[in-house]
Order: sequence, then C-alpha cells, then structure tokens
Amino acid sequence: AQTVTQSQPEMSVQEAETVTLSCTYDTSESNYYLFWYKQPPSRQMILVIRQEAYKQQNATENRFSVNFQKAAKSFSLKISDSQLGDTAMYFCAFRTIIQGAQKLVFGQGTRLTINP
Amino acid sequence: DGGITQSPKYLFRKEGQNVTLSCEQNLNHDAMYWYRQDPGQGLRLIYYSQIVNDFQKGDIAEGYSVSREKKESFPLTVTSAQKNPTAFYLCASARGGGPSYEQYFGPGTRLTVT
Repeated sequence: AQTVTQSQPEMSVQEAETVTLSCTYDTSESNYYLFWYKQPPSRQMILVIRQEAYKQQNATENRFSVNFQKAAKSFSLKISDSQLGDTAMYFCAFRTIIQGAQKLVFGQGTRLTINP
Repeated sequence: DGGITQSPKYLFRKEGQNVTLSCEQNLNHDAMYWYRQDPGQGLRLIYYSQIVNDFQKGDIAEGYSVSREKKESFPLTVTSAQKNPTAFYLCASARGGGPSYEQYFGPGTRLTVT
C-alpha cells in the first residue's frame, strides 16, 4: 500500500525567510504524480505544485519549488521569500491509479506559520 | 463561474440521526470524491464515483453511503452506524479517472454530532 509521511507536524519561520517542508512516500509503482496542497484557515484546499515521477526536472511555481529524489522517495517543498499569506497547513499527496480510478493518498500535514 | 459547492458550511446533528451532505459541481467532471479530514490525519478517501450510477468504496466507507444519480451531484449520507462522525468533509471532482486529471476541491462541510 502507498503511504505518505510528513515528519514535521509544525514549522515556524520569519517573513522573507526560506523554508523547506519534508515528505517521503512509499510505493512500488514507477509512474505516479506527487503534489503539495495548501489549506489556509478558510480550509479550502489549493494545489500548490505537482511533479510527474517520470520527469527528472524539479517543478517550480514562482516562489515554490520541489526537490524530487525518486530513488530516495523524497519530495520536499521549498518556499522562498515566505509571506504572511503562506501561513497554512501543507499536505503532500501521492496519486495513483487503482482499477482505472485515480486515488490520492495524503500525508498528515505540516502546519506552517509565517511570523511578521 | 465553474466550481464545486458544498452545503451547508456547518452542520449539527444529534447522535443517532442520519445526515446528508451536499456536493454539486458545474465543471462537467465525470469523477467525484468524498474525503474526511480529522486533526493530525490528513485526508482519507470515503467514496468515489467515476461515472453516473456507479461508485466505489474508499478506505473508510463504513458508516457512509452515497448516490450518483446525476453527473453534477454526489451527496454523502453519514449514517448512525458511523461511530465518530464529527469531522470536516471535503468533496472533490476531476475530469476523469486518468492520472493526468487534477482533483478540484469544494470548500468543505464541518459536521458536529453530539
């Protein structure tokens, strides 16, 4: 079974600093997708960034980038120049296909606080 | 505007009562999903549907039921058999079941059972 582990329940940094959130996963599949979702206090789930496993190049979206280490099954999220609006729960997720249907498996989440 | 709506935002029920959570989407998506979120556990899949009149159990389906009579609607019923129903429930949809299709989430419903 696929599992996703986020080892940092909470993190806190000062505004404008860079922060890295960790995520490891376990799978026997070779082709899959990985995601980072943000859940602000409104609790709306927002897709931050995605990575396709067959692509070696790390995905980037403005201030957000990932460090994808396929052999180590590691998928960390780096937030540069952090802003107060980045305060949220962050979930790492793994997407697989089971019996023709896609399934998302989520980690436990990391609560990130950006301090002014 | 296209999107997913869940109503109500907050729902309160007495123990022993069934309650139905609404999920509607106007994105013309084929696939729809229900997740449960508890503190410290992330999201867990309850049920999913890839097409009208068809649905499958997810990881924690016990005590829940769903229907998919219309493409745009996927209501979730929390029955009295669900031992710990108090949670935050999220509905999502996707164009299809293939790996390249993103899941889009609704705003969620907070259910409190006392």
